[in-house]
Parts: sequence; structure tokens; C-alpha cells
Amino acid sequence: KQEVTQIPAALSVPEGENLVLNCSFTDSAIYNLQWFRQDPGKGLTSLLLIQSSQREQTSGRLNASLDKSSGRSTLYIAASQPGDSATYLCAVRSYNTNAGKSTFGDGTTLTVKP
Amino acid sequence: DTEVTQTPKHLVMGMTNKKSLKCEQHMGHRAMYWYKQKAKKPPELMFVYSYEKLSINESVPSRFSPECPNSSLLNLHLHALQPEDSALYLCASSHNQGLYGAYEQYFGPGTRLTVT
Repeated sequence: KQEVTQIPAALSVPEGENLVLNCSFTDSAIYNLQWFRQDPGKGLTSLLLIQSSQREQTSGRLNASLDKSSGRSTLYIAASQPGDSATYLCAVRSYNTNAGKSTFGDGTTLTVKP
Repeated sequence: DTEVTQTPKHLVMGMTNKKSLKCEQHMGHRAMYWYKQKAKKPPELMFVYSYEKLSINESVPSRFSPECPNSSLLNLHLHALQPEDSALYLCASSHNQGLYGAYEQYFGPGTRLTVT
């Protein structure tokens, strides 16, 4: 059974700092890993999708990496801004679960202070 | 357009009411999903439709009844709910569910449901 862990559960940083969010998974037989952000009471916004054959994806100030062998992904946020404050979730689609079912981590709640 | 829309935004219903949640996408996606999310928890998958057919039911109680009338629409019919069913209900879509599950999921803004 795939298990996904995100550490830390909460993170507070001053504006302008570069930061890294972590996502670990137990079963390396994955199709892809997707990073989302969620603002309080809102839906999930897709940030980056990394296929199992890829090592990293970039979008603006965001860079996500994937190391399947070690069961880890990181989301790097450069020059953080108060508007980046949100909960960040990673979700993994695995060979050994029902096709189409994603396993989510519990998320990291990020606060960027002005 | 990568938008998934959901109506209503908020819904308050009594335990004897019947109501429906609606979800729509016009991205040509053939897989659509219902998730339930409680506060400070990740989304929990409820149902998956692939090419308008129910492909995954995560042992959801029968008081929740999904329907996929066509490739763009997904409904969730609610009847005789319990207060513990109060949650944010999220709809999502992807190009395909597929055997290889390679596609990106897009989520709607959710319906905040309160059962009194």
C-alpha cells in the first residue's frame, strides 16, 4: 500500500526566502507525482506534474524534482511571497493501486510573512 | 481553458433532504472524479468515472449516488445524509483514467456542504 508523507506539517518563513517542501512515498512503482496548492476553503490548484520518467519540472519560481529510487520529491519555491501562503499537497499515482487513484500526503501549510 | 466548475458553492441541507451537486468541464476530459475533504485533511477519493462509466467506487455509502449524464457533466445526488457528511466536496477531471494513469488532474473550487 502506497503511503505518502509530507514534512514539515507547517512552515513559516520571511518574505524573499527560498524554501523546499518535501514529499516521501513508500512504493517507488509510480506513474507520476503531482504538486498542488490549496487556499483555505478552496479547491486544489495544480502546480506541477512529474512523470515517472522525468527528474524535474519547472514553472516560474517553482521547481519540482523526483527521485523514484529514494521515494522522494521536493518542491522548491524561489523568492517566496506572502501570496505563496497556502497548503501544499503532493499526490502520487502508483502501479499497485487502482488506476486513476491518487494517494495524497497530508500537506505542508506554508506561511510567508511580509 | 483548464477550468472545472462546481455548483452550488455552498449547500446547507437537513438529514431528510434530497439535493444534488453538479460539476462541469469543457476540456474534453474523459475521466471525472468526486472527492470528499474534511478540514485539515487531504482529499479522499469517492468515485471515478471513465468514459461516462463508473470505474471506481471507494465503498461509499449509498446515500451518495453519482451520475455522469455525458462526458462534460458529473452529478452527485445526496439523500438522507448525516451531520458527519459535512465537508468540502471536490470534483476533478483528467484526460483519461487509463491503465497508466499518466494524466494531470484538474480540480474545481468545491461545494461546501453542511448537514444539519
